[in-house]
Amino acid sequence: AQTVTQSQPEMSVQEAETVTLSCTYDTSESDYYLFWYKQPPSRQMILVIRQEAYKQQNATENRFSVNFQKAAKSFSLKISDSQLGDAAMYFCAYRSWGSARQLTFGSGTQLTVLP
Amino acid sequence: KAGVTQTPRYLIKTRGQQVTLSCSPISGHRSVSWYQQTPGQGLQFLFEYFSETQRNKGNFPGRFSGRQFSNSRSEMNVSTLELGDSALYLCASSYRGGQDEQYFGPGTRLTVT
Repeated sequence: AQTVTQSQPEMSVQEAETVTLSCTYDTSESDYYLFWYKQPPSRQMILVIRQEAYKQQNATENRFSVNFQKAAKSFSLKISDSQLGDAAMYFCAYRSWGSARQLTFGSGTQLTVLP
Repeated sequence: KAGVTQTPRYLIKTRGQQVTLSCSPISGHRSVSWYQQTPGQGLQFLFEYFSETQRNKGNFPGRFSGRQFSNSRSEMNVSTLELGDSALYLCASSYRGGQDEQYFGPGTRLTVT
């Protein structure tokens, strides 16, 4: 079974600064997807960024980028130019390529953005 | 296009009762997945439905069940509620499942007293 570990329960960043959230995972599969989801106080889960394991290039979405290290099974999220609206719980998630379509989530990192 | 909707948004039930939660996926989406979110266990997968068939199931007792209708709307039912069933229940829809993105609804907050 796959597991996802987020070792930072809480992080804080100054507005306009850069912060990196860590995620490691364990799997025996070679093809899979990795995601970062954001859950603000409204509790609505919002997809931030997605990475296919077969792609060597790191995914980027505006101010959000990932550092995907497949051999190390590491998948960190970098938020540049942090904004107050980035404050939320961030979840790292894994999904198999094959028949198991469910997401396996990490325990989350609560990000606080300081004005 | 309207997003995923879940009803009701909040629910209070008594231990031993049963409850039914509803999820309407994004128009055209045929896959619906359910997740339970609690402070202690985090986010856990319950089950996935596609074209009215349960395609995948998580590690939950038989008290948790679901179904999907021909219009892709899904319901999940919890019988004989326990205090530990208090949670946020999230529904996510995708076009086919698999490689497609999952879009989450706002959740139903269930409190069991």
